[in-house]
Amino acid sequence: DVKVTQSSRYLVKRTGEKVFLECVQDMDHENMFWYRQDPGLGLRLIYFSYDVKMKEKGDIPEGYSVSREKKERFSLILESASTNQTSMYLCASTLRDSKLFFGEGSRLTVL
Amino acid sequence: AQTVTQSQPEMSVQEAETVTLSCTYDTSESDYYLFWYKQPPSRQMILVIRQEAYKQQNATENRFSVNFQKAAKSFSLKISDSQLGDAAMYFCAYRLTFNNNDMRFGAGTRLTVKP
Repeated sequence: DVKVTQSSRYLVKRTGEKVFLECVQDMDHENMFWYRQDPGLGLRLIYFSYDVKMKEKGDIPEGYSVSREKKERFSLILESASTNQTSMYLCASTLRDSKLFFGEGSRLTVL
Repeated sequence: AQTVTQSQPEMSVQEAETVTLSCTYDTSESDYYLFWYKQPPSRQMILVIRQEAYKQQNATENRFSVNFQKAAKSFSLKISDSQLGDAAMYFCAYRLTFNNNDMRFGAGTRLTVKP
Protein backbone atom coordinates (compact mmCIF):
# COMPACT_ATOMS: atom_id res chain seq x y z
CA ASP A 1 0.00 0.00 0.00
CA VAL A 2 1.01 3.58 -0.65
CA LYS A 3 2.45 5.32 2.37
CA VAL A 4 3.12 8.96 3.17
CA THR A 5 4.45 9.37 6.69
CA GLN A 6 4.70 12.61 8.60
CA SER A 7 7.09 12.41 11.50
CA SER A 8 5.03 14.25 14.12
CA ARG A 9 1.27 14.23 14.55
CA TYR A 10 1.25 16.92 17.23
CA LEU A 11 3.84 19.56 18.08
CA VAL A 12 3.87 22.45 20.52
CA LYS A 13 6.56 25.07 20.00
CA ARG A 14 7.38 28.51 21.33
CA THR A 15 7.51 31.68 19.29
CA GLY A 16 10.89 32.08 17.65
CA GLU A 17 11.78 28.39 17.71
CA LYS A 18 12.97 26.62 14.57
CA VAL A 19 10.57 23.87 13.56
CA PHE A 20 11.16 20.92 11.25
CA LEU A 21 8.29 18.92 9.80
CA GLU A 22 9.38 15.76 8.05
CA CYS A 23 7.57 13.82 5.36
CA VAL A 24 8.60 10.52 3.79
CA GLN A 25 6.92 8.63 0.95
CA ASP A 26 7.67 5.10 -0.13
CA MET A 27 6.22 5.21 -3.64
CA ASP A 28 9.14 6.71 -5.58
CA HIS A 29 6.95 9.71 -6.39
CA GLU A 30 8.54 12.66 -8.12
CA ASN A 31 6.24 15.36 -6.81
CA MET A 32 5.83 16.25 -3.18
CA PHE A 33 3.82 19.03 -1.57
CA TRP A 34 3.31 20.85 1.70
CA TYR A 35 -0.13 22.27 2.39
CA ARG A 36 -1.48 24.23 5.26
CA GLN A 37 -5.06 23.49 6.34
CA ASP A 38 -7.09 26.09 8.25
CA PRO A 39 -10.82 26.12 9.03
CA GLY A 40 -12.80 27.95 6.39
CA LEU A 41 -9.79 28.25 4.10
CA GLY A 42 -9.34 24.69 2.92
CA LEU A 43 -5.85 23.65 1.88
CA ARG A 44 -3.32 26.18 0.70
CA LEU A 45 -0.09 25.22 -0.99
CA ILE A 46 3.09 26.33 0.76
CA TYR A 47 5.78 24.71 -1.38
CA PHE A 48 6.13 21.83 -3.78
CA SER A 49 9.03 19.89 -5.20
CA TYR A 50 9.17 18.06 -8.52
CA ASP A 51 12.59 16.50 -8.09
CA VAL A 52 15.48 16.19 -5.67
CA LYS A 53 16.83 19.62 -4.73
CA MET A 54 14.12 21.28 -6.84
CA LYS A 55 11.42 23.38 -5.21
CA GLU A 56 8.81 25.91 -6.16
CA LYS A 57 6.85 28.36 -4.06
CA GLY A 58 3.17 27.84 -3.65
CA ASP A 59 0.58 30.40 -2.63
CA ILE A 60 1.80 31.09 0.92
CA PRO A 61 5.57 30.49 1.17
CA GLU A 62 6.35 33.40 3.48
CA GLY A 63 7.88 32.26 6.74
CA TYR A 64 8.61 28.77 5.42
CA SER A 65 11.39 26.98 3.60
CA VAL A 66 11.76 23.41 2.36
CA SER A 67 14.43 20.85 1.74
CA ARG A 68 14.47 17.83 -0.53
CA GLU A 69 17.84 16.12 -0.38
CA LYS A 70 16.46 12.68 -1.20
CA LYS A 71 13.57 11.72 -3.44
CA GLU A 72 11.56 10.13 -0.68
CA ARG A 73 11.89 12.93 1.87
CA PHE A 74 10.49 16.46 1.84
CA SER A 75 10.96 18.68 4.87
CA LEU A 76 9.15 21.86 5.81
CA ILE A 77 11.10 24.33 7.93
CA LEU A 78 9.79 27.21 9.98
CA GLU A 79 12.90 29.28 10.64
CA SER A 80 11.31 31.30 13.43
CA ALA A 81 7.88 30.06 14.39
CA SER A 82 5.14 32.60 14.97
CA THR A 83 1.68 32.22 16.48
CA ASN A 84 0.03 32.75 13.10
CA GLN A 85 1.71 29.57 11.91
CA THR A 86 -0.41 27.51 14.29
CA SER A 87 -2.16 25.17 11.90
CA MET A 88 -2.51 21.69 10.45
CA TYR A 89 0.21 20.86 7.96
CA LEU A 90 -0.37 18.20 5.32
CA CYS A 91 2.24 16.55 3.17
CA ALA A 92 1.28 14.89 -0.11
CA SER A 93 2.96 13.17 -3.01
CA THR A 94 2.04 12.12 -6.52
CA LEU A 95 3.36 10.79 -9.78
CA ARG A 96 2.99 13.00 -12.82
CA ASP A 97 -0.65 12.46 -13.50
CA SER A 98 -2.22 10.64 -10.65
CA LYS A 99 -4.07 11.38 -7.48
CA LEU A 100 -2.50 12.97 -4.43
CA PHE A 101 -1.55 10.71 -1.54
CA PHE A 102 -1.63 12.48 1.79
CA GLY A 103 0.05 11.95 5.13
CA GLU A 104 -1.95 12.04 8.34
CA GLY A 105 -1.06 15.62 9.05
CA SER A 106 0.99 17.46 11.66
CA ARG A 107 -0.89 19.74 13.99
CA LEU A 108 1.43 22.52 15.09
CA THR A 109 0.68 24.89 17.96
CA VAL A 110 2.95 27.89 18.44
CA LEU A 111 2.69 29.53 21.84
CA ALA B 1 -6.79 32.42 -10.81
CA GLN B 2 -8.94 29.37 -10.45
CA THR B 3 -11.10 29.20 -7.36
CA VAL B 4 -13.19 26.49 -5.80
CA THR B 5 -16.22 27.30 -3.67
CA GLN B 6 -18.02 25.02 -1.28
CA SER B 7 -21.00 26.93 0.02
CA GLN B 8 -21.99 24.45 2.73
CA PRO B 9 -19.63 24.55 5.73
CA GLU B 10 -21.65 21.78 7.43
CA MET B 11 -24.16 19.18 6.35
CA SER B 12 -25.88 16.33 8.13
CA VAL B 13 -27.64 13.23 6.90
CA GLN B 14 -29.51 10.37 8.46
CA GLU B 15 -27.90 6.99 8.14
CA ALA B 16 -29.06 5.19 4.97
CA GLU B 17 -30.29 8.43 3.43
CA THR B 18 -28.81 10.38 0.51
CA VAL B 19 -26.94 13.66 0.75
CA THR B 20 -25.51 16.00 -1.86
CA LEU B 21 -22.52 18.25 -1.29
CA SER B 22 -22.15 21.28 -3.52
CA CYS B 23 -19.09 22.66 -5.28
CA THR B 24 -18.63 25.36 -7.85
CA TYR B 25 -15.44 26.47 -9.49
CA ASP B 26 -14.22 29.27 -11.63
CA THR B 27 -11.94 28.73 -14.60
CA SER B 28 -11.43 29.85 -18.16
CA GLU B 29 -9.69 26.61 -19.09
CA SER B 30 -11.26 23.64 -20.80
CA ASP B 31 -8.94 20.78 -19.81
CA TYR B 32 -8.98 20.02 -16.14
CA TYR B 33 -9.74 17.49 -13.45
CA LEU B 34 -12.15 17.77 -10.58
CA PHE B 35 -11.86 15.78 -7.38
CA TRP B 36 -13.63 15.05 -4.16
CA TYR B 37 -11.36 14.20 -1.23
CA LYS B 38 -12.50 12.85 2.12
CA GLN B 39 -10.74 13.57 5.41
CA PRO B 40 -12.07 11.42 8.29
CA PRO B 41 -11.45 12.68 11.83
CA SER B 42 -7.77 12.29 12.75
CA ARG B 43 -7.08 10.27 9.62
CA GLN B 44 -5.45 11.00 6.33
CA MET B 45 -7.20 12.50 3.37
CA ILE B 46 -8.13 10.10 0.62
CA LEU B 47 -9.49 10.47 -2.88
CA VAL B 48 -13.19 9.68 -3.22
CA ILE B 49 -13.82 10.35 -6.88
CA ARG B 50 -12.29 12.05 -9.90
CA GLN B 51 -13.84 13.57 -13.01
CA GLU B 52 -12.10 14.54 -16.23
CA ALA B 53 -13.65 17.67 -17.71
CA TYR B 54 -13.67 16.27 -21.25
CA LYS B 55 -15.88 13.36 -20.19
CA GLN B 56 -19.60 14.02 -20.31
CA GLN B 57 -20.45 10.95 -18.28
CA ASN B 58 -20.59 11.53 -14.55
CA ALA B 59 -18.08 9.55 -12.52
CA THR B 60 -19.35 6.93 -10.08
CA GLU B 61 -17.61 4.97 -7.34
CA ASN B 62 -19.97 2.61 -5.56
CA ARG B 63 -22.22 4.80 -3.35
CA PHE B 64 -20.50 8.00 -4.48
CA SER B 65 -21.43 9.79 -7.68
CA VAL B 66 -21.02 13.26 -9.07
CA ASN B 67 -23.22 15.64 -11.01
CA PHE B 68 -20.82 17.46 -13.30
CA GLN B 69 -22.30 20.48 -15.05
CA LYS B 70 -19.47 21.94 -17.10
CA ALA B 71 -21.30 24.96 -18.45
CA ALA B 72 -22.50 25.88 -14.98
CA LYS B 73 -19.08 25.05 -13.48
CA SER B 74 -20.73 22.90 -10.88
CA PHE B 75 -19.47 19.62 -9.43
CA SER B 76 -21.64 18.15 -6.69
CA LEU B 77 -21.06 14.91 -4.80
CA LYS B 78 -23.94 12.59 -4.02
CA ILE B 79 -23.55 10.01 -1.28
CA SER B 80 -26.22 7.32 -1.35
CA ASP B 81 -27.13 4.99 1.51
CA SER B 82 -25.02 7.07 3.91
CA GLN B 83 -23.01 5.16 6.49
CA LEU B 84 -21.53 6.25 9.80
CA GLY B 85 -18.08 5.90 8.26
CA ASP B 86 -18.93 8.59 5.73
CA ALA B 87 -18.69 11.23 8.46
CA ALA B 88 -15.75 13.43 7.48
CA MET B 89 -14.61 16.69 5.96
CA TYR B 90 -15.09 16.65 2.23
CA PHE B 91 -12.98 18.83 -0.03
CA CYS B 92 -13.69 19.66 -3.63
CA ALA B 93 -10.57 20.27 -5.70
CA TYR B 94 -9.60 21.34 -9.19
CA ARG B 95 -6.45 21.19 -11.23
CA LEU B 96 -5.48 21.70 -14.82
CA THR B 97 -4.87 18.53 -16.78
CA PHE B 98 -1.31 19.47 -17.59
CA ASN B 99 -0.30 21.12 -14.35
CA ASN B 100 0.00 18.55 -11.64
CA ASN B 101 1.43 21.05 -9.21
CA ASP B 102 -1.47 23.45 -8.94
CA MET B 103 -4.32 21.72 -7.13
CA ARG B 104 -6.94 24.17 -5.83
CA PHE B 105 -9.10 23.18 -2.88
CA GLY B 106 -12.39 24.44 -1.57
CA ALA B 107 -12.89 25.33 2.09
CA GLY B 108 -14.49 21.98 2.84
CA THR B 109 -17.85 20.65 4.03
CA ARG B 110 -18.13 18.82 7.32
CA LEU B 111 -20.56 15.94 6.97
CA THR B 112 -22.23 14.46 10.03
CA VAL B 113 -24.07 11.14 9.77
CA LYS B 114 -26.81 10.58 12.34
CA PRO B 115 -27.59 7.02 13.41
